This record gives sequence, structure tokens and C-alpha cells, in this order.
Amino acid sequence: GQNIDQPTEMTATEGAIVQINCTYQTSGFNGLFWYQQHAGEAPTFLSYNVLDGLEEKGRFSSFLSRSKGYSYLLLKELQMKDSASYLCAVRIRGYQKVTFGTGTKLQVIP
Amino acid sequence: SQTIHQWPATLVQPVGSPLSLECTVEGTSNPNLYWYRQAAGRGLQLLFYSVGIGQISSEVPQNLSASRPQDRQFILSSKKLLLSDSGFYLCAWSVPGVGSTEAFFGQGTRLTVV
Repeated sequence: GQNIDQPTEMTATEGAIVQINCTYQTSGFNGLFWYQQHAGEAPTFLSYNVLDGLEEKGRFSSFLSRSKGYSYLLLKELQMKDSASYLCAVRIRGYQKVTFGTGTKLQVIP
Repeated sequence: SQTIHQWPATLVQPVGSPLSLECTVEGTSNPNLYWYRQAAGRGLQLLFYSVGIGQISSEVPQNLSASRPQDRQFILSSKKLLLSDSGFYLCAWSVPGVGSTEAFFGQGTRLTVV
């Protein structure tokens, strides 16, 4: 099976930088996703990593280390609208399914 | 462009009643299809996924079932709802094959069993 761990909640200040970590234990790893989910809404795709390293997309960056089973999502220049849950998800090789972590609820304060 | 439709948006059903949630995808062929459930304050739990018509993989044994009668139609059903079936149900699709990336989610159905 898969085990995905993320912090439950985080708080950060508007304009600051926040890093949300995700660790996973799985066999047949085939990619890691980050999604953003505002309360009461469907998740929306943020990033995808399958190779080690940093992927940058505007204010958001995602990092992956396959040997350590570790990823993080970095949010820069935080805005109030970034308050949401951030879900880490892992895909297994040979399967089409993606398993999600429980998510990290980020609160951005003025 | 591809779109995913999921309905209804909200549903209140009594315990013991049947359930049918429908999801359809437009603009793509042979998508991978998924049903997830999210209980209040919890992560997304994969319930079923399908890689083709009539092909259903179940992840969690429970009183729910899924069917894929057409290539782009995915249905979640129950014969008798339980209180514990309350939650936010999300349908999603992804592109099949090597190199496929993200899943695209429908807007969800908020089910309350009373």
C-alpha cells in the first residue's frame, strides 16, 4: 500500500514564503502531484514531478527527491487567496490510480 | 477542449434509500475515470477507478458500486445508503497511457444522508 504524510495545518503571513512538505512510502512510484482545494470546491492541479529536482511555475514551485520519498510545495509572495488545502498525491507505476494524502490546510493571515 | 460534468451538486437522502451519481466527460476518448470521496476535514479517498468500458477496480469494500456503461460515463450507486456515506463525492478523469499527468475533477456532489 501507500503511505502519504503531510502536516495537517499551517499558518503564514501575506507576502511571505511557505513550504509544505510531503513524505511518502510506496513501491513502484510513478509521479507526485500537488493540488489546491478551496473549501467546498474541487481540487485543481498545481504541479507534477516524476524526476528529482525543482519545478517552478510562477509563484509556486515543487521539489521531489525520489530516494528520500520526499516532496515539498513552495509558495512565494503569499496572497490571501492562497488560503486553501494543499493535497499531495502519488501515482503508482503500472496503475492508473492516484492516491491522495489528507492535505495541509494553509491559512494566510494579514 | 475537455470538460467533465457531475450532478447533482447537492443531495440529501434518507438512510436506506438508493443512490445514483452520474459523471460524464466530453472532448476526449477512453479516459481513465475515478470516483473519490472526501469526508469532512479529511483527504480524498479513492473509491473506484476505470480504464475502459465495463472495467471497474474497487479500492474500498463498502456498500457502494460503480459502473461504466459508456466510454465517457461513470456512475456511482448504492442500493441502501448509510449515515457514514455522507461526504463530498468527486468524479475525475485523466488521459490514459504513458506520460499521462494530472486528473481533472468535476465540481463534486455534496451528499448528506439523514
